[in-house]
Amino acid sequence: AQSVTQPDIHITVSEGASLELRCNYSYGATPYLFWYVQSPGQGLQLLLKYFSGDTLVQGIKGFEAEFKRSQSSFNLRKPSVHWSDAAEYFCAVVLYNNNDMRFGAGTRLTVKP
Amino acid sequence: EAQVTQNPRYLITVTGKKLTVTCSQNMNHEYMSWYRQDPGLGLRQIYYSMNVEVTDKGDVPEGYKVSRKEKRNFPLILESPSPNQTSLYFCASSLLLNNEQFFGPGTRLTVL
Repeated sequence: AQSVTQPDIHITVSEGASLELRCNYSYGATPYLFWYVQSPGQGLQLLLKYFSGDTLVQGIKGFEAEFKRSQSSFNLRKPSVHWSDAAEYFCAVVLYNNNDMRFGAGTRLTVKP
Repeated sequence: EAQVTQNPRYLITVTGKKLTVTCSQNMNHEYMSWYRQDPGLGLRQIYYSMNVEVTDKGDVPEGYKVSRKEKRNFPLILESPSPNQTSLYFCASSLLLNNEQFFGPGTRLTVL
């Protein structure tokens, strides 16, 4: 079945440490790829997206993501995490010839002082 | 200010009592959709609309209805709510599907 997988339900990192959140998809074609962030009690905000071209994408708040076709992955990274990054992060995909967006189950990030 | 608004933000109701959650966007977006968010399941799409009078089912449409009579509004209707529809609901809009989706603040619904 076509799906989006975020293998890590919950990650804890220390402030200032690096971060990588994993996302894998299982679609035959390369989809459009997105990362969203949801702060507590808030809606979702787009961090970055990949459609084509350079496989390393820069986003807001110092985040970046790398698309790896061979691994069907679109992992989110940040070199140095800030306490304000504590939130839930969702990977999402849209097939270019489809009409709906599919979300992963989310990864909750906790930042230790 | 460009935004998606939802009302109400919080609602507690009883089984079988019809309710409507409104969604409105002021960005002239073509695409609108409804999601429900449940722990461990992420966001699942309920219905979406590509334009006025064009709606289609998402992953979990059972028990829900929508309408798109105007471009800016996309209400979600629960004709006969049941406890398994207790969830956090988000409305979203975008110019096109593969553009950034803008999300509303969410509606927390409890069905007793």
